[in-house]
Parts: sequence; structure tokens; C-alpha cells
Amino acid sequence: DIVMTQTPLSSPVTLGQPASISCRSSQSLVKSDGNTYLSWLQQRPGQPPRLLLYKISSRFSGVPDRFSGSGTETDFTLKISRVEAEDVGIYYCMQGKQFPFTFGPGTKVDIK
Amino acid sequence: VQLLQSGGGLVQPGGSLSLSCAASGFTFNQYSMIWFRQSPGRGLEWVSAIGGAGRDTYYTDSAKGRFTISRDNSKSMLYVQMNSLRAEDTAMYYCAVWGPNGDLPYWGQGTLVTVS
Repeated sequence: DIVMTQTPLSSPVTLGQPASISCRSSQSLVKSDGNTYLSWLQQRPGQPPRLLLYKISSRFSGVPDRFSGSGTETDFTLKISRVEAEDVGIYYCMQGKQFPFTFGPGTKVDIK
Repeated sequence: VQLLQSGGGLVQPGGSLSLSCAASGFTFNQYSMIWFRQSPGRGLEWVSAIGGAGRDTYYTDSAKGRFTISRDNSKSMLYVQMNSLRAEDTAMYYCAVWGPNGDLPYWGQGTLVTVS
């Protein structure tokens, strides 16, 4: 199985300031079709996960442009340019390259 | 798009439970579907997947032989039958659409399964 790790596990941030989360996979997430199947999901308290980004950096419909993704092969980053109160939650990276799809442990973002 | 889950609840070890996921707002038979679960100790886990036509099914090792995923495209329904349940199957279970970009664009609200 592909192991996903994330740092930090907790990220207290000031409103309006940027936040950054790193994700690493135990093997390349580039599939034979040339695409890299790395997604980022947000989970607010009491809610199911919500897709933010797919294929590293493509924003899902309705996701604010303050969320951006970057990276290649095995190292990826989610950035929030200016954190808003509604961004509080747990952020997960997920690999969709092969079964079983696997998730990172999550990074808790809260407000200082 | 809406995924409305039902089923779940409290069951004794060794018992069985069936979960359902009613889909609407998209052409159900064109999309593969996935079951995930989430527990405090194990985080988010992929459990099972099924192709759009229902012919191809996939399971995580811990679900093989105990869980059966199925779908009824005429009713836009996804199911998972869970047998021989164990304490470690206790979790919130989610159904999700498996998008064409290897993504998970839509999720159900979740249903809690407690094995005790």
C-alpha cells in the first residue's frame, strides 16, 4: 500500500495569514496515463470530507482560489493564501493512483 | 448531486449490517462508487469500490470475504452488506462518487456503525 504522511499535524494560524501543509507519498503517484493522482480534502467538524483539489492543483467546483496545490511525484504542498475562519478543520491528502486509496493522517488547522 | 445514506447502528460482534446510499443529481450508472470509513484510531480508510456497471468490485484486505458491495442502477442505489462484523469495523461509513480524475467530488453524510 502507498503510505501518505503529512506535516505538520497541527497548524494554528492567524486570520488573514497564509498556511502551508506538506504531504509525502511512499512512492510516485504518477500513473501510466501521465497524471498524478493526488487530492486534497477538507473536513470541517461534524461534516464529511470535501474535495478541494485534485491532480495536485486543479480546484474543484466552488473552491476559493486562496487554496492552491503544488508538487510532483512524491512531494506535495497545499497552501492557503489567507486563512479565513471557515477554513478551520482537518486537511487530508489522498492518493488515487491505486487501490487501496490511502490518506494522510490529517493536519488540523485552527485559529490562534 | 446528493448522496443520502441509511442503515448503520449498533450490532454485536459477528453480526451483520447493511448500508445504503441513494444517489441523485447525476447519471449514476456512469460513475464508479466507493465506500470509505473513518474512526479515531484508524483515520480515513478506503473499504470497497464498484464500477459503474456493477461488474467490477474491489475490497480492502480486511473487508474481503466479509463485505459485499453492490449497486442497483435502476434505482440509483449503492449498497454494502457487512457480515462477521468485528469491533475494529466500528466507524463512520461514507459513500462517495469516484470521479473521472481519480478524485472524490461527492460524499454522503455518513452513517455510524458500532460493533459492540
